[in-house]
Amino acid sequence: DVKVTQSSRYLVKRTGEKVFLECVQDMDHENMFWYRQDPGLGLRLIYFSYDVKMKEKGDIPEGYSVSREKKERFSLILESASTNQTSMYLCASSFSPQGPEETQYFGPGTRLLVL
Amino acid sequence: DQQVKQNSPSLSVQEGRISILNCDYTNSMFDYFLWYKKYPAEGPTFLISISSIKDKNEDGRFTVFLNKSAKHLSLHIVPSQPGDSAVYFCAASESPYNFNKFYFGSGTKLNVKP
Repeated sequence: DVKVTQSSRYLVKRTGEKVFLECVQDMDHENMFWYRQDPGLGLRLIYFSYDVKMKEKGDIPEGYSVSREKKERFSLILESASTNQTSMYLCASSFSPQGPEETQYFGPGTRLLVL
Repeated sequence: DQQVKQNSPSLSVQEGRISILNCDYTNSMFDYFLWYKKYPAEGPTFLISISSIKDKNEDGRFTVFLNKSAKHLSLHIVPSQPGDSAVYFCAASESPYNFNKFYFGSGTKLNVKP
C-alpha cells in the first residue's frame, strides 16, 4: 500500500514565524503536491514537484515556497506565517506519467493554526 | 471562480437507499473526472474515475455518470451503508496526464443513517 505521511497532524504557530511542513512518500513516486483545504473552497494546489529539485507553482503559491532535495520528501515552507494561512494542508504523490488508472495518494493532512 | 462546484454541502440518506452526490463544472475542456472519499483525520482516497469518452463507469456499489452537455457528473452509491459516511470530493482535469491541474470541488458530507 502507498503511504504518504506528514510530519505533524496539528500545528500552532505565531504570526511571522517560519513554518516547515514535511511530507514523505514510500512508493518512489515522481510527483508530489501540496494543497490547502478550506471550507467551501475544496482543495487548492499550492505547489507541485515532478522530480528532485524541480518545482512548479500551483494556483495559490503566494506566501509559500517548497523544497524537494530527495525524491521521497517534499517540504512546504511558510516564510513568515500569517493568520490567513490557517488551514488544513494536504500532501499528495503520484506516479509519472499519470495514466487513466492513476491517481494521487494523499497524506492525512496537517491542520495549521496561525495566531 | 471555482471551476468545479458541489452545491450540496451535506446529504443524509437511510441505510440501504441510494445516495446521489452531484458535481457541476464550467470548463468545457475538462475531460477526466474523479471522485475521492475522505474520512475524518485521514487524507482523501481515490474512489472512481471517468473519462469524457464514457458516460458511465461502475465499480461495485459506486457508479459515476457524466453528462457532458450539461457539464454535470454524479456519483451514485447503491445500496448506501453507514461506512460510506464521509466527505466526497469531485475533481476534474483537462487530461489524466495533466496532473498539475486537478480542480477540486468543495466536498459533500454524506451521512448514512443506520
